[in-house]
Amino acid sequence: AQSVTQLDSQVPVFEEAPVELRCNYSSSVSVYLFWYVQYPNQGLQLLLKYLSGSTLVKGINGFEAEFNKSQTSFHLRKPSVHISDTAEYFCACGGGADGLTFGKGTHLIIQP
Amino acid sequence: GAVVSQHPSWVICKSGTSVKIECRSLDFQATTMFWYRQFPKQSLMLMATSNEGSKATYEQGVEKDKFLINHASLTLSTLTVTSAHPEDSSFYICSARDPREPSYGYTFGSGTRLTVV
Repeated sequence: AQSVTQLDSQVPVFEEAPVELRCNYSSSVSVYLFWYVQYPNQGLQLLLKYLSGSTLVKGINGFEAEFNKSQTSFHLRKPSVHISDTAEYFCACGGGADGLTFGKGTHLIIQP
Repeated sequence: GAVVSQHPSWVICKSGTSVKIECRSLDFQATTMFWYRQFPKQSLMLMATSNEGSKATYEQGVEKDKFLINHASLTLSTLTVTSAHPEDSSFYICSARDPREPSYGYTFGSGTRLTVV
């Protein structure tokens, strides 16, 4: 069984400041890890994913994430956020023939 | 990139009626599609896995007779909410795997907001 924990339900941050959204996973097998962004009343857009190889993954919109196997973490970071980054962010694990297991989401609030 | 179209984007129906939601892969053939449900301000919960040409696989606790899934072609899966009730009101999102992506690419539809009155 797999599970994903997003430690913060809400993260407020000032515009142009850096941000880190935390994600921890639990799995008995090798996993693929994903970060998605969801804007109100919309579907999910893939930010980035980790499958194997380099533990630092770069995604769209200036986001990056680092896979840490020993800490079972996959935290999402951005060095400087913009108002348009206000959204819900979901960490997920899974892959192959199975659907994804999602964390509960983190609402990123950008303050001017 | 891969595109998944979901229709309708929102629907309001009367209690007791049935509603069909369509999920189409526009530029690829999807042998597997997934249906998720999202309650307000909550995460996505996998409801079922839809496999082309075979029966869907439902997650524990999901009523098969309430949520009928049909995957009759490689580009279309449908979710029918039968005899809908207000508690079925939710945001439903489909996802499809693009087999051309060696790295397990999942593309999501834009979601359907169902309101049962």
